[in-house]
Amino acid sequence: DQQVKQNSPSLSVQEGRISILNCDYTNSMFDYFLWYKKYPAEGPTFLISISSIKDKNEDGRFTVFLNKSAKHLSLHIVPSQPGDSAVYFCAASGVYDYKLSFGAGTTVTVRA
Amino acid sequence: DADVTQTPRNRITKTGKRIMLECSQTKGHDRMYWYRQDPGLGLRLIYYSFDVKDINKGEISDGYSVSRQAQAKFSLSLESAIPNQTALYFCATSGSGNTIYFGEGSWLTVV
Repeated sequence: DQQVKQNSPSLSVQEGRISILNCDYTNSMFDYFLWYKKYPAEGPTFLISISSIKDKNEDGRFTVFLNKSAKHLSLHIVPSQPGDSAVYFCAASGVYDYKLSFGAGTTVTVRA
Repeated sequence: DADVTQTPRNRITKTGKRIMLECSQTKGHDRMYWYRQDPGLGLRLIYYSFDVKDINKGEISDGYSVSRQAQAKFSLSLESAIPNQTALYFCATSGSGNTIYFGEGSWLTVV
């Protein structure tokens, strides 16, 4: 049973607009959350992370929001660019767990 | 050169054959992992190792085995390959934190 869920398999957004990717988790022991980006024929690369003591973390155009009570996190990409077209994976781990549980991924397509 | 190198990058094998996927890293990390990616299922953990003498099963270890030959090397074996093991396999490493770093992946097709 997947403990990390990305319920939207795909997202299409116009260049310059905001992309919002959502992720839900079921394990209350998770306390560290990450987003990875994957291009075809490449391995996933780390994008941004957030620990449970925060509710927001920003890195340039990327912001991750965490709502612990709802067991929900989201990734905002503003503004979206064509190079952002990729598969995005949400991942989570527990304290000192050092293993990541991944969601199924969301394919983002940025339209010109 | 990639920090996490996987060989082979692509392999087609027959049902019942033994196949090994190899991974080496230059990041100096103690922790190493094998994941597989399937459409609609994301990345699932097969095995992981936190140091040379430590091997642990992940969520989908049946039909797989691993060997940690050195700090930098972690290989995955399919003892008797079956078609539903057709997937994209990733080796990964991590250091002191929770972030893990992936190799470029190995496409395995079992016919």
